[in-house]
Order: sequence, then C-alpha cells, then structure tokens
Amino acid sequence: KAGVTQTPRYLIKTRGQQVTLSCSPISGHRSVSWYQQTPGQGLQFLFEYFSETQRNKGNFPGRFSGRQFSNSRSEMNVSTLELGDSALYLCASSLRSGTEKSNTEAFFGQGTRLTVV
Amino acid sequence: KNEVEQSPQNLTAQEGEFITINCSYSVGISALHWLQQHPGGGIVSLFMLSSGKKKHGRLIATINIQEKHSSLHITASHPRDSAVYICAVHSGGGADGLTFGKGTHLIIQP
Repeated sequence: KAGVTQTPRYLIKTRGQQVTLSCSPISGHRSVSWYQQTPGQGLQFLFEYFSETQRNKGNFPGRFSGRQFSNSRSEMNVSTLELGDSALYLCASSLRSGTEKSNTEAFFGQGTRLTVV
Repeated sequence: KNEVEQSPQNLTAQEGEFITINCSYSVGISALHWLQQHPGGGIVSLFMLSSGKKKHGRLIATINIQEKHSSLHITASHPRDSAVYICAVHSGGGADGLTFGKGTHLIIQP
C-alpha cells in the first residue's frame, strides 16, 4: 500500500511569488491535514480537509489556502511568498468514517522543503 | 507558553541505555501521538493513545490523563533510535489538527 506522497520534495521560490504543493493521501483516507515546520516555531497546524471541505484551520494568514479534490488529493497554496515562509511543509492523511469524531492514526508524507529567496 | 511541553530538549545516551522522554500538556485532549522524525524530514507515527499504555518492540508509551502527562520509553537503545521525538495532542473535539511539542533530540552513541 503506497504511503502519503508529497510533491515536489524541494522548491526554491522568490519573494512575492506564489507556490502550490501537492499531497496524495493513502488510498481510502479521506482526511488530509497540512503542517508547517520551522526551526523557530516547530510544527504548526495549517488546515485540515475532509471530503473536499475545510474542517479546521490553524492560525495562519489568508495567504495560505488549500483545497481537496474528489479523489482526496489535496493541494495547498501560498501566495505573495515571504522569507519567513521558508519551511518544511508536511501533510498527513488519516482514515475517517462519516461524521465520527474519533481520532485515528495519522500517516505523514516526507514533506516539501520550500526555500524563499 | 506552549500547550505541549517536552523534556528533555536534548538527550545523549550510550547504546543499551533505557531512555525516557516526557510530555506534559495543559489542555483537555482526546488523543496523544508520539512521532519520530529522522534527518531529512519524514515523520513516522509511533503511537496514538488516549489511555493506559502501549508497547511496540522496544518502545513503550504511557499516558496519565488525570495528570496530563505522557512518557515514551526506549529499552535497549540503539544508534538507529537517534532521531527527534515529538509529542502531539488532539485537543477535545476530535478535529484532526494537532498541537505539537518542540521535540526531543535524541542521540544514541555506540
């Protein structure tokens, strides 16, 4: 069974540009969450999608957005990039069933390392 | 103040030693995760627990909900256990967003 796949693995962008990152969850997983990891702040929750709907959002500016497609693949977009957006962006998928709020194990991808210059 | 506090931040030990990493949290939670991150970034979920104790190989995780505290133990540590270990919690409500500790950087010397 394939794991969580994130593309690209590495990315270099210039300030002011925008970027789109992709995450393909484990087959059958309908929940995808995104996280940002920086040396100063550690890991922080960005947002979570379930069945194409954003269900939960962390404390990040509106420049950070995402979406989920009908096949559960998710993308996140960062517009007007700033130097401080340089980070490792991780996504995690988990198995959910209906509206059940029970927690399930999260499976993480390898991450996309974004460098803004 | 971070809602999830880990200790120690850094730990260096000799191969074979018994390792304990602690995690304290200040909010009500529905579950707690222990994660392992190797250089290069990939994260592996080691345990998810909401009560009691779980064991997998040489790894043991315990949680005390009343005391808002969890521990990760590694028995017979090995250099391949060298990694960053991260505690993360689901706050009450069950949403998938996790709140993370800063991590414990573990080095096991041969």
